[in-house]
Amino acid sequence: AQSVTQPDIHITVSEGASLELRCNYSYGATPYLFWYVQSPGQGLQLLLKYFSGDTLVQGIKGFEAEFKRSQSSFNLRKPSVHWSDAAEYFCAVATNFGNEKLTFGTGTRLTIIP
Amino acid sequence: DTAVSQTPKYLVTQMGNDKSIKCEQNLGHDTMYWYKQDSKKFLKIMFSYNNKELIINETVPNRFSPKSPDKAHLNLHINSLELGDSAVYFCASSQTGGRKKLFFGSGTQLSVL
Repeated sequence: AQSVTQPDIHITVSEGASLELRCNYSYGATPYLFWYVQSPGQGLQLLLKYFSGDTLVQGIKGFEAEFKRSQSSFNLRKPSVHWSDAAEYFCAVATNFGNEKLTFGTGTRLTIIP
Repeated sequence: DTAVSQTPKYLVTQMGNDKSIKCEQNLGHDTMYWYKQDSKKFLKIMFSYNNKELIINETVPNRFSPKSPDKAHLNLHINSLELGDSAVYFCASSQTGGRKKLFFGSGTQLSVL
């Protein structure tokens, strides 16, 4: 069965600093990978997704992620964080492409300090 | 207009009660889902309906019964609520075709006392 690991439960960065959130997946075939963001009291919003092609994908809000098959990773990056980026970030993998079933990681909580 | 709306946003109830959470989407999607997020923020799919037909039914107690009167609505009814049912329940929708994203509602915080 597929699984997603987000090794960092909580990360704190200074506003303006760069950010990298880690995500590792376990799946035998080509994965379909997603990053979602959840602001406090809100539902999840898709930041970006990878299906095929260019392994560096661009998303909304200045985020990007790079798929590395050799490392089974799909890390999320942002060159300069803003206070509004404080949220919970979830990596997810889709394996049954027909019905959009997602398996989520346990999330990484991002805190921004001034 | 809210794309995926859930009601109520908060639900506090006693053990043993029966409650329902409603979900509606106005995106014209044909697939809807229920996800459960536990106290550790872990998200897990519960059910998925496509054009009113159940297509995913994870290992969920049969006290949970989804109902889809039409493809724009997917309601979740829970019988005999237990303490362990306390969680945030998210409704989501997507368009069948594979390469589409899920749109989530803002969640229903269920607290069972």
